[in-house]
Amino acid sequence: QLQLVQSGAEVKKPGASVKVSCKASGYSFTGYHMYWVRQAPGQGLECMGWINPNSGATKHPQRFQGRVTMTRDTSMSTVYMELSNLTSDDTAIYFCARVKRAVNPDGWFDPWGQGTLVTVSS
Amino acid sequence: DIVMTQSPDSLAVSLGERATIDCKSSQSVLYTSNKKNYLAWYQQKPGQPPKVLIYWASTRESGVPDRFSGSGSGTDFTLTISSLQAEDVAVYYCQQYYSSPLTFGGGTKVEIK
Repeated sequence: QLQLVQSGAEVKKPGASVKVSCKASGYSFTGYHMYWVRQAPGQGLECMGWINPNSGATKHPQRFQGRVTMTRDTSMSTVYMELSNLTSDDTAIYFCARVKRAVNPDGWFDPWGQGTLVTVSS
Repeated sequence: DIVMTQSPDSLAVSLGERATIDCKSSQSVLYTSNKKNYLAWYQQKPGQPPKVLIYWASTRESGVPDRFSGSGSGTDFTLTISSLQAEDVAVYYCQQYYSSPLTFGGGTKVEIK
């Protein structure tokens, strides 16, 4: 069964870092790019970038440059997203989402993880 | 970055009536070499991740009811729910995958009138 299972909710203080995991099952882990997408409370969807689980290559928008790190563990079929120097603006649900098309980093997303709520509060 | 603009922000439709959501991209998402529009539509219900409904602007995902349809090309796209059902209450998003960074529209909330 095709599935992405994320780690649990986190509460962090401003300036701290958070690391969220996403474990994949039911398909060839290294065959599909994985994105991280976040959604602030009551807001829309924002792509944070992708990781190629095969090569480990990553790409993310300029606005996250220097703050986001995406890694993977192929033995565990798991990708990780670490966001540093957190502010209250980073309070959001963070989703991992697999690109539907094999090998290609650009595409629509299916499936999605269940989401991980990260709350940044002093 | 390609900016995706949806309208309206919300709409209320009677059960069994048609719902129409528009999405406009700041530049064309039509790839001329393969004549495909790099646009998808998602449905998100409260407390759930988004679910893909449509890709390539008009191809329905497997298992999606045929009351959902997508149309349009270039920069202007439409998602139509032909006969609104109670279970269709949700927020709907368009997304372009023509160029990185991939971007979403701001969402349209569909409610029952």
